[in-house]
Amino acid sequence: DIVMTQSPRSLPVTPGEPASISCRSSQSLLHSNGYNFLDWYLQKPGQSPQLLIYLGSNRASGVPDRFSGSGSGTDFTLKISRVEAEDVGVYYCMQTLQSPPTFGHGTRLDIK
Amino acid sequence: QVQLVQSGTEVKKPGASVKVSCKASGYTFTSYGISWVRQAPGQGLEWMGWISAYSGYTNYAQKVHGRITLTTDTSTSTAYMELRSLRSDDTAVYYCARTYFESSGYYNFDYWGPGTLVTVSS
Repeated sequence: DIVMTQSPRSLPVTPGEPASISCRSSQSLLHSNGYNFLDWYLQKPGQSPQLLIYLGSNRASGVPDRFSGSGSGTDFTLKISRVEAEDVGVYYCMQTLQSPPTFGHGTRLDIK
Repeated sequence: QVQLVQSGTEVKKPGASVKVSCKASGYTFTSYGISWVRQAPGQGLEWMGWISAYSGYTNYAQKVHGRITLTTDTSTSTAYMELRSLRSDDTAVYYCARTYFESSGYYNFDYWGPGTLVTVSS
């Protein structure tokens, strides 16, 4: 199975400041079609996960443009340009290049 | 609007079976799949399997293979997850998620249900 490693595990952020989460995979997630099969999900407190970013860098419907995804191969980053209070929760990266799809262990973002 | 409504909390004894339902609305059911993802208390997300609502084709995680069956009823736009021979470590919230497939083999989970708590305890 492809192992997904996220860092940091915990991320306290001051509102209005930027935040960055790293996700590394044990194998390249770059498909022959040129896309990285890497998504980001956010699970807000007490809620179900929601899709944030798909194919490495595409924002899902309704996701604010302060969220951006980048990276290729085995190294990926989720960035929030200016953190807001509603962004608290656990962020997960997930790969679907190989079955089974695997998630990172999550990064908990909270407000300082 | 897309909605996934799941069945209610279940409490089961070890060795028993559980069947969780996920009723979809707001989209063409057979144009997507349904995946099941579980989350043990205080833990991360674990994929269990998916089913194509169009073909009925399934793909299961090795960890639960042989104990899990995913089915759909296209007449009611409902997906089901049955897990047998329950153990205490099956205690988790079980989510269904609409699964968008591309011809490349890529897929994602673009809408999620609210989750169903399954507790396995003697």
